[in-house]
Amino acid sequence: DGGITQSPKYLFRKEGQNVTLSCEQNLNHDAMYWYRQDPGQGLRLIYYSQIVNDFQKGDIAEGYSVSREKKESFPLTVTSAQKNPTAFYLCASSPPRGSRGQPQHFGDGTRLSIL
Amino acid sequence: GQQLNQSPQSMFIQEGEDVSMNCTSSSIFNTWLWYKQDPGEGPVLLIALYKAGELTSNGRLTAQFGITRKDSFLNISASIPSDVGIYFCAGQLGNSGSRLTFGEGTQLTVNP
Repeated sequence: DGGITQSPKYLFRKEGQNVTLSCEQNLNHDAMYWYRQDPGQGLRLIYYSQIVNDFQKGDIAEGYSVSREKKESFPLTVTSAQKNPTAFYLCASSPPRGSRGQPQHFGDGTRLSIL
Repeated sequence: GQQLNQSPQSMFIQEGEDVSMNCTSSSIFNTWLWYKQDPGEGPVLLIALYKAGELTSNGRLTAQFGITRKDSFLNISASIPSDVGIYFCAGQLGNSGSRLTFGEGTQLTVNP
C-alpha cells in the first residue's frame, strides 16, 4: 500500500547527541514536510521541501537540519543545538504545486525523548 | 505569519449529541482542511474544502468553507465513542505543495 513511513516510532537521545528521524514515502509526492507537536498544542512547521535537492525553513527551524537527496526520502536531524527536543515529530507529503484535491497526508510520527 | 484561532479548545459531550467547532483566520485561505488525530498517531484527513461557500459532508461529518475565506466550521452529528480525539483545522493559501497553517486543535471527549 502507498503511504508515509516514519521510523523509529520511539527514539531516545542523550544530551549533546544528534539524532536522525527517518521519513519515507512511496506516493510519488514531490513535497515533504516536517512538523513538531508538543502536548496539547498544534503542529508547527520545521522544514519543508517542494522538490528534490531543495528545502526551506519553516517557523521553528533552529536546531534542526534536513536533506532531500531523493524524492521519496526526507530525513530530519535533531542537533545538539536544539535545547528542548522532546516532542512528537510528524512527517507529511503532498503532490506538487498545481495539484488540486491532493492535500497533505501524514505518517504516524516519531516520539523523541531525552535521557 | 498567518494565525488560526480554533475553538473550542476542548469539549465533553454525551454519546449521541451533535458537535460543532470552528476556525477563524486573520487572512484568507484558498483551501481549508479538517484532520483528526488519535493518540500517538498522525493526523488523518477528514474533509477538504476548496471553494468559498462550499459545504461538504463525509458521513456524519459536515464542514463549510466560509464565504469570506477567513473561516471554516466542522459539525459532527450523533457522536459516538470513536469520535474521541483531537480535531485540527488547517488553511492553505496556495495549491498543493504550499505550506499549511494549523489551528491548535479541539480535544473531543465523548461519554458513553
